[in-house]
Amino acid sequence: AQKITQTQPGMFVQEKEAVTLDCTYDTSDQSYGLFWYKQPSSGEMIFLIYQGSYDEQNATEGRYSLNFQKARKSANLVISASQLGDSAMYFCAMRGGLIQGAQKLVFGQGTRLTINP
Amino acid sequence: GAVVSQHPSRVICKSGTSVKIECRSLDFQATTMFWYRQFPKQSLMLMATSNEGSKATYEQGVEKDKFLINHASLTLSTLTVTSAHPEDSSFYICSASSPTSYEQYFGPGTRLTVT
Repeated sequence: AQKITQTQPGMFVQEKEAVTLDCTYDTSDQSYGLFWYKQPSSGEMIFLIYQGSYDEQNATEGRYSLNFQKARKSANLVISASQLGDSAMYFCAMRGGLIQGAQKLVFGQGTRLTINP
Repeated sequence: GAVVSQHPSRVICKSGTSVKIECRSLDFQATTMFWYRQFPKQSLMLMATSNEGSKATYEQGVEKDKFLINHASLTLSTLTVTSAHPEDSSFYICSASSPTSYEQYFGPGTRLTVT
């Protein structure tokens, strides 16, 4: 069975600082995908970044980067130059299989990030 | 990116009544849709996987007769909460798998309050 663990219930960061949100995973699959989603107070799930298990380079999307350490089974999200609008709940999720199609996502417990001015 | 809509965004109903929530993929055909439930300050919990033209696959512990799922077309899945009770009050979110991408696209969610 797949499992995602986020050990930081809450994080407080000063505006403009970088922040790392931790995520570790457990799976016996060789092929899998890792996602990070942002959920503001409105409730919508906003896709941030994706890393495939066979991707050799860490994924980057603007201010977001994913620090993928396969041997340690970690997929930490790094947000550079944090902004007040980054305050939200952040979820790490895993999907089994790299074949495009209907593979369900398993979510971590989430980390509530608060950016202080 | 692809768009998934949900309707209604908020609903308040009386205990004992049924409520239907619609999930639509607006610009792609979704063979599979997923229904999640989220309690306050908690993570998303997968309830069921909805497959077009076949019966839904429910996660362990989710009552099939209480949460009826119908996926009648490639763009529409519905979740009906039957005989709702206050403990069914929650945030319900659907997602749809794109056939051309690894991504799942989420709807904006439906907040159900049962009084």
